[in-house]
Amino acid sequence: NAGVTQTPKFRVLKTGQSMTLLCAQDMNHEYMYWYRQDPGMGLRLIHYSVGEGTTAKGEVPDGYNVSRLKKQNFLLGLESAAPSQTSVYFCASSYLKGTYNEQFFGPGTRLTVL
Amino acid sequence: DAKTTQPPSMDCAEGRAANLPCNHSTISGNEYVYWYRQIHSQGPQYIIHGLKNNETNEMASLIITEDRKSSTLILPHATLRDTAVYYCIGQNFVFGPGTRLSVLP
Repeated sequence: NAGVTQTPKFRVLKTGQSMTLLCAQDMNHEYMYWYRQDPGMGLRLIHYSVGEGTTAKGEVPDGYNVSRLKKQNFLLGLESAAPSQTSVYFCASSYLKGTYNEQFFGPGTRLTVL
Repeated sequence: DAKTTQPPSMDCAEGRAANLPCNHSTISGNEYVYWYRQIHSQGPQYIIHGLKNNETNEMASLIITEDRKSSTLILPHATLRDTAVYYCIGQNFVFGPGTRLSVLP
């Protein structure tokens, strides 16, 4: 049981390049989330998904797109990377039971945009 | 949705209890309060959650006030490995800057 995994762990991009971050979970969770964390700050929600084929915007969605084609995977795309997107990206998954919603986090992807 | 407020930093002596406060005065009636911690740059780790009653697990205890406007996370015997940033959040998944707990030898 690997929990939540993220690929890649590190990446350096040039301004304007594109890339996709992959998040995978093996806990059969319905909900998945993408956060970013800048130095000294808390996590900010980018996008989330409440089930396969559905996505929704979080607090800071601009410049990112997401897809949830399979229940176990949640992809985060940067179409044209900017230096302001330099950050650590965390993926999480959860199941909802009533109003209880505990999130399980991946190890993070450290992205630098030059 | 709850907006949470936490002190930016706290120190605690090793072996003593660490009491971390959180204010969540806007929390709704059926909204859980969750506590997570983040060690170095790892992904946040779940600690405990509560709704109305006090809760205890192998990691910590959670004391929620009767009016549910605030709570306190208690690490009963803090160790150096408990040095981390502690987050108190509601159901809206908004992580503020948290409290940086430093456990001192």
